[in-house]
Amino acid sequence: QVQLVQSGAEVKKPGASVKVSCKASYYTFTSYGVSWVRQAPGQGLEWMGWISTQNGNTIYAQSLQGRVTMTTDTSTRTAYMELRSLTSDDTAVYYCARDRSDLATYHYFDYWGQGTLVTVSS
Amino acid sequence: SYELTQPPSVSVSPGQTASIPCSGDELGNKYVFWYQQKPGQSPVLAIYQDTKRPSGIPERFSGSNSGNTATLTISGTQAMDEADYYCQAWDTNSVVVGGGTKLTVL
Repeated sequence: QVQLVQSGAEVKKPGASVKVSCKASYYTFTSYGVSWVRQAPGQGLEWMGWISTQNGNTIYAQSLQGRVTMTTDTSTRTAYMELRSLTSDDTAVYYCARDRSDLATYHYFDYWGQGTLVTVSS
Repeated sequence: SYELTQPPSVSVSPGQTASIPCSGDELGNKYVFWYQQKPGQSPVLAIYQDTKRPSGIPERFSGSNSGNTATLTISGTQAMDEADYYCQAWDTNSVVVGGGTKLTVL
């Protein structure tokens, strides 16, 4: 059964960076991309971006351009999301999700990680 | 930028049909996806490519998409269906997610 297991909760100070990992199991890692989605407390889902596990190509949400970097390590079947210059507005649960796409007309998420709470507080 | 609009809340009585709309400009020309999220849990894919149900999703869940509105329909709604529901589409190099609808079964 497909699994995405994320790293544990983080507490960061404003201005710091955070890097969340997402380890995939029980499917061919390079056959699907990975998207990252976050959810602030009591709020809706916000897509952050997508990375191809085949070639490392990325698409980032415009609102996060310049602050987010997504990478993968195919040898360990792990995806990473780094977010820099954190503010309190970045306090959220961060999810990785297996991304199914035809690279032209759709992306969607058929399996999700358990979520990683990132708290930004001084 | 493209937007998807959902009502903040929908209420339904047990056993009745719940309809959750999602509107966007010419949405019928795009694929729409629906996710269910219960409190404290990760989202779950409920409908993909407008009308398809993933394995494990009950038959009472169905979807449609035409014109400017996509609709998630839950027939014979059960108490376990109480959750937040999000619609999602793809537009110009960006995933777009609706604001979410809280379905209350009462």
